[in-house]
Amino acid sequence: GDSVTQMEGPVTLSEEAFLTINCTYTATGYPSLFWYVQYPGEGLQLLLKATKADDKGSNKGFEATYRKETTSFHLEKGSVQVSDSAVYFCALFSGNTPLVFGKGTRLSVIA
Amino acid sequence: EAQVTQNPRYLITVTGKKLTVTCSQNMNHEYMSWYRQDPGLGLRQIYYSMNVEVTDKGDVPEGYKVSRKEKRNFPLILESPSPNQTSLYFCASSFSDSYEQYFGPGTRLTVT
Repeated sequence: GDSVTQMEGPVTLSEEAFLTINCTYTATGYPSLFWYVQYPGEGLQLLLKATKADDKGSNKGFEATYRKETTSFHLEKGSVQVSDSAVYFCALFSGNTPLVFGKGTRLSVIA
Repeated sequence: EAQVTQNPRYLITVTGKKLTVTCSQNMNHEYMSWYRQDPGLGLRQIYYSMNVEVTDKGDVPEGYKVSRKEKRNFPLILESPSPNQTSLYFCASSFSDSYEQYFGPGTRLTVT
């Protein structure tokens, strides 16, 4: 079945550092890919999305590119802030099943 | 304001005492779902509902029940809670043809 694998955390970075969180997927067909973010004490919220190969999703300075050849959707940000500290979930939607989530990666940004 | 609400937000109970966690959404979404979140295991889906009176099992349905009598509500029922159901629970909803799920704030359940 469909699955998502993302790098284990926690990831600890200094403010203004470059962030990469790796995500790879296994799916039949051509899924849509997403990153959700969970801030402390809150539910998940959609951060960005890409619905077809080579699409780049972006929001709040975060970016991710849908790479079909490597089945990847890595999350990047050029300069993280303390307010970016959260848990990040990679997810896929193949249309005939509910969203499939990765296990989440906790990011801590220190000043 | 468009939102998903859950009650209670925190609950401590004892083994075997039946409980219900309520979930309500005001966005007229067809699809609703329950997840549990545990350290190292991420989010796991318990049950989901594609519409009123239509429910289906997710990845970890054992020990849980749900019902969908109205479009806006999707309660999670634990008939006989056990300590391994101690977890953080999230309700979510979306339109049936949409990938964007809206999550509630979570319910932290402790079963002693």
